[in-house]
Amino acid sequence: QLQMQGSGPGLVKPSETLSLTCSVSGGSISGSGDYWVWIRQPPGKGLEWIGAVYYDGATYYNPSLRSRVTISVDTSKNLFSLRLRSMIAADTAVYYCARQVDCGGDCADWFDPWGQGTLVTVSS
Amino acid sequence: SYDLTQTPSVSVSPGQTSSITCSGDQLGTKYVCWYQQKPGQSPVLVIYQNSRRPSGIPERFSGSNSGNTATLTIRGTQPMDEADYFCQAWDNSIVIFGGGTKLTVL
Repeated sequence: QLQMQGSGPGLVKPSETLSLTCSVSGGSISGSGDYWVWIRQPPGKGLEWIGAVYYDGATYYNPSLRSRVTISVDTSKNLFSLRLRSMIAADTAVYYCARQVDCGGDCADWFDPWGQGTLVTVSS
Repeated sequence: SYDLTQTPSVSVSPGQTSSITCSGDQLGTKYVCWYQQKPGQSPVLVIYQNSRRPSGIPERFSGSNSGNTATLTIRGTQPMDEADYFCQAWDNSIVIFGGGTKLTVL
C-alpha cells in the first residue's frame, strides 16, 4: 500500500525559504503515470493546491504561487520536494504531500493517498 | 478564476441522510471529487469522478453532479462521519477546492 511521509522544519523565519520532502514507500515514484503534489491548509481554513511534479521532472504550479515555488523529484530516493521562497506569515499552514492519480483518459485526476501533513509556522 | 462554493455547515441526526453541496459555474461539465477530513487528520478521498467510491469507503457514501451543483450524499449517517468535507475540481489544469462543509452529527 502506497504511503507518503512528509518531513521538514516546523518553524521558518520570514523571508527565508521553506524546504519540505515527501518520501514515498510501497510503490515507485517513476513511470506510474501519476503526478506528485503539494497541498497546504492554513489553520482552520480550506485547502490550497501548490503544484505538482512528474517523475521526469515536469512541473506545473498554482499561478498564485508560481513565482516562489519549486517542486522537484529524486527518483533514486523515491521522493519529491517543495521549496517555497520568501516566506511570510500567510504561508503558515499544514503542508500535505499526496499522489495525483492518473485517471488515464477523458476524466480528471484525484488525490490519494495523502501524507500526514507538516505544520509550518512562519515567525521570527 | 473559478470558484467552488460550499455551505459552511450541515447538521444531521444519526441515521438520517446528509446532503453536502458544491456549486460552481457549469460544474456538471467537470469531474468532482470529495475528501473527508477529521480533526487533526489528513484528508481522505471518499468520492472521485463525481460518483465513484474508492475501495474501503462505505457504500453509504455516494456522489452526483449535474448543472451547477455536485452533491455528496451520506445515507444512514453515523457519528463517525462527523468531519469536514471538501469538494475539488479542475479548471484549465488548475486544482480548485471548495471552502469545505463541516458535518455535525447530533
